[in-house]
Amino acid sequence: QSVLTQSPSASGTPGQRVSISCSGRNSNIGTNYVSWYQQLPGTAPKLLISRDNQRPSGVPDRFSGSKSATSASLAISGLRSEDEAVYYCAVWDESLTGWVFGGGTDLTVL
Amino acid sequence: EVQLVESGGGLVQPGGSLRLSCVGSGFMFSNLWMSWVRQAPGKGLEWVANINQEGTKTNYVDSVRGRFTISRDNAKSSMYLQMSSLRVEDTALYYCASMDTSTVDDDYWGQGTLVTVSS
Repeated sequence: QSVLTQSPSASGTPGQRVSISCSGRNSNIGTNYVSWYQQLPGTAPKLLISRDNQRPSGVPDRFSGSKSATSASLAISGLRSEDEAVYYCAVWDESLTGWVFGGGTDLTVL
Repeated sequence: EVQLVESGGGLVQPGGSLRLSCVGSGFMFSNLWMSWVRQAPGKGLEWVANINQEGTKTNYVDSVRGRFTISRDNAKSSMYLQMSSLRVEDTALYYCASMDTSTVDDDYWGQGTLVTVSS
């Protein structure tokens, strides 16, 4: 059972916009920045969003992040087949004194 | 080119010990908090431990506290994870990562080293 709650799966068709949610608590999302990672099959995670809504260099603007209270969301617009991956939210938890990850959302592009 | 390269994984019996290493290059290793993150086969990501830039502050997930020790040597751009009293549930791919929200762009991950705990 992850401290951060994500839906196990999501899907969309090419060109569509999909949103992936991450629910937490005051001690994590309510206090600290949320990061989002993309993990393609057989590869290491890659940072997509940092500090709730900031994209590292090289990350397409199709990816965007938002946060409200103790929940955060990752939106992917103009969905592409290469976006098929597992997406994780991550945040520092003040109560646990450590990073926590969501359980991951497996995105399928139909 | 930025690189993080882990080593030291392998097969170990329950109760045994193992030391993982991570060497960074192509970025200012000494400027960043560094973490170990693991992923059990077919499972999600689990943060294990992190260490501050000077090596003076460390944090651990409850399940490894007292059994694992994280350390670093900035002169060698290296980080280590000494693992002891290993359990079957510690079996995972262990990633070295620079998870540090003080910077947006300096988030780097290695390709991982596999630790298998089995009799």
